[in-house]
Order: sequence, then structure tokens, then C-alpha cells
Amino acid sequence: TQTVSQSDAHVTVFEGDSVELRCNYSYGGSIYLSWYIQHHGRGLQFLLKYYSGNPVVQGVNGFEAEFSKSDSSFHLRKASVHWSDSAVYFCAVSLNYGGSGNKLIFGTGTLLSVKP
Amino acid sequence: GPKVLQIPSHQIIDMGQMVTLNCDPVSNHLYFYWYKQILGQQMEFLVNFYNGKVMEKSKLFKDQFSVERPDGSYFTLKIQPTALEDSAVYFCASSFQGLSNERLFFGHGTKLSVL
Repeated sequence: TQTVSQSDAHVTVFEGDSVELRCNYSYGGSIYLSWYIQHHGRGLQFLLKYYSGNPVVQGVNGFEAEFSKSDSSFHLRKASVHWSDSAVYFCAVSLNYGGSGNKLIFGTGTLLSVKP
Repeated sequence: GPKVLQIPSHQIIDMGQMVTLNCDPVSNHLYFYWYKQILGQQMEFLVNFYNGKVMEKSKLFKDQFSVERPDGSYFTLKIQPTALEDSAVYFCASSFQGLSNERLFFGHGTKLSVL
């Protein structure tokens, strides 16, 4: 069974600070990893994804994430946050099987609060 | 960009009644999904649907739940009868090929309140 763990329920930073949101997964096979953002009262929006190749992937709005097989992690980072980055961030995994639908398994989410 | 629309945004019903949640997916997408989120917590997979059939469903997809998309119209989630524990926000999503490396496009959700 694959699982996704986001150890920080709530992270608070000031505008301009850097931030890292942690994600760890457990699954032995091939998986896809992704991050989604949910602003209050809205649906999830895709940020970035990783399957293979360069372990550092770039996403929208200055976000990037780094895959580490040894740590089973896929942490999300941003060098300088803006107040509009305040939202809940979900890490997700999906199994590598094709054509039968992309079933995403989400972590519990991390609420990022950016103070002015 | 492409949008998934969900109608209505909020639905209030009495326990035991039937409810239908409507989703208008991205126009050329072929795979459709429902997720359930309780009180801003974890998003839980319910079901995915392709070519008129349920491909996979979770334990949360109870016998009282059903999905369909008749003739390319709305992709619907029907709950009959509803129970108090069905109160949640239900998110519809769609994707084109259903591959694991594809992103999902999500709607804004329908908040279901069962009284």
C-alpha cells in the first residue's frame, strides 16, 4: 500500500522568506509524485510533478521540488514567498499504470500561512 | 486555462433524500474522477470513470453512490439515500488520457450538507 506523509500540518513564514514543505512517501515500485495547491474554498491546482530524470523539478510561480529516492521524499520549496502563496499544499502519488485512470493518493496537506 | 465546472457550489438536503452532484469536465477529457474532502482535511479518492464505466472505486464509494455521464453531458455523482456522514466537499476532476503522469484538473467543489 502506498502512503503519503506530510509531517507539518501548518507552516507560518513571513513574506520574502524561503519555505520548504515536506513530503515523504512509501512505495517500492514506480510512482509519479506531484504537488497541488488549494486556496481557501477552491479546487486543487497543479503545481509540478516528477517521474524520472532530473530530481529537481520546476513548477509554476517559482516553486520547485526535489525528489530523493534514498529519503523517500519529495519536498516542495520556494525561495521567496508572497502573501498570495497562503494556501493548503497537497503532495500526491500515483502508481505507474497506464490508461486505466490516474488515481492520486494525497497527503493530509500543509497549510502555509504567509504573514506580511 | 481549461476548467472543470461543478454545479451547485452548495447543496443542503435532509438525510435520506437523494442528491445529484453535477460536473462539467474539460471538453476533450476522457477520464473523470470524484474525490471527497471532509472539513478541509485530506482529499480521498472515490471513483474514476472512463468510457461509460467505473474503472476503480475506493471503500468510500458506498453502494448508495453511483456515477454516470449520459451522452457527453454532465458527469454526475448520485447518492441515494444520503447519510449524515456524506456531508463533505465533493471535488470532480478530469484528465485526457488517464495516465499516471498526467495532471488532473479539479473543479471548485460542491459542498454537501446533510441534515
